[in-house]
Amino acid sequence: GNSVTQMEGPVTLSEEAFLTINCTYTATGYPSLFWYVQYPGEGLQLLLKATKADDKGSNKGFEATYRKETTSFHLEKGSVQVSDSAVYFCALSGAGSYQLTFGKGTKLSVIP
Amino acid sequence: GAGVSQSPRYKVAKRGQDVALRCDPISGHVSLFWYQQALGQGPEFLTYFQNEAQLDKSGLPSDRFFAERPEGSVSTLKIQRTQQEDSAVYLCASSFNADYGYTFGSGTRLTVV
Repeated sequence: GNSVTQMEGPVTLSEEAFLTINCTYTATGYPSLFWYVQYPGEGLQLLLKATKADDKGSNKGFEATYRKETTSFHLEKGSVQVSDSAVYFCALSGAGSYQLTFGKGTKLSVIP
Repeated sequence: GAGVSQSPRYKVAKRGQDVALRCDPISGHVSLFWYQQALGQGPEFLTYFQNEAQLDKSGLPSDRFFAERPEGSVSTLKIQRTQQEDSAVYLCASSFNADYGYTFGSGTRLTVV
């Protein structure tokens, strides 16, 4: 079956530091890949997505590239802000499927 | 409404009680999903509706869990004879078209004591 593995947190960074959150996946065929963010007390929000190999999703300064050869979709941001503090979830949906399979989440704390 | 609304936000139930969790999806969204998120884990799929039809209930953990969407809009997730392992956040999501992604509600945090 499908599965997503992401780096365990918590991750604590200083403001303006570089962020990488690793995500690898196992799936048959060509899944779509997503990063969701959950701010305290709020629902999951789609941050970015990529639907085919070598696609780069980007939003709010965050980027992730769909790497089929390494089955990875690492999240990066060049300069984090305090407002980026949240839990980040990597997820996939199999080809033609509506179900999302999530990783366990990585909590990011950014300190001034 | 502007987003997916779930109620109640918090629910404490004594073991053995029945609970009902409500989801109001975004108006016009055909697809509706329920996910269960245990503490420290990612959300896990429970069930999927397209309009009023429940097309997939493969994620429901036991026959104590039941979901309905009788008029194709509001959905209710019912858990009978709650047990401690049912304690989790229950998330509802809706979508007009899967290509456009899903909008999640803030969830209902269920604690069974």
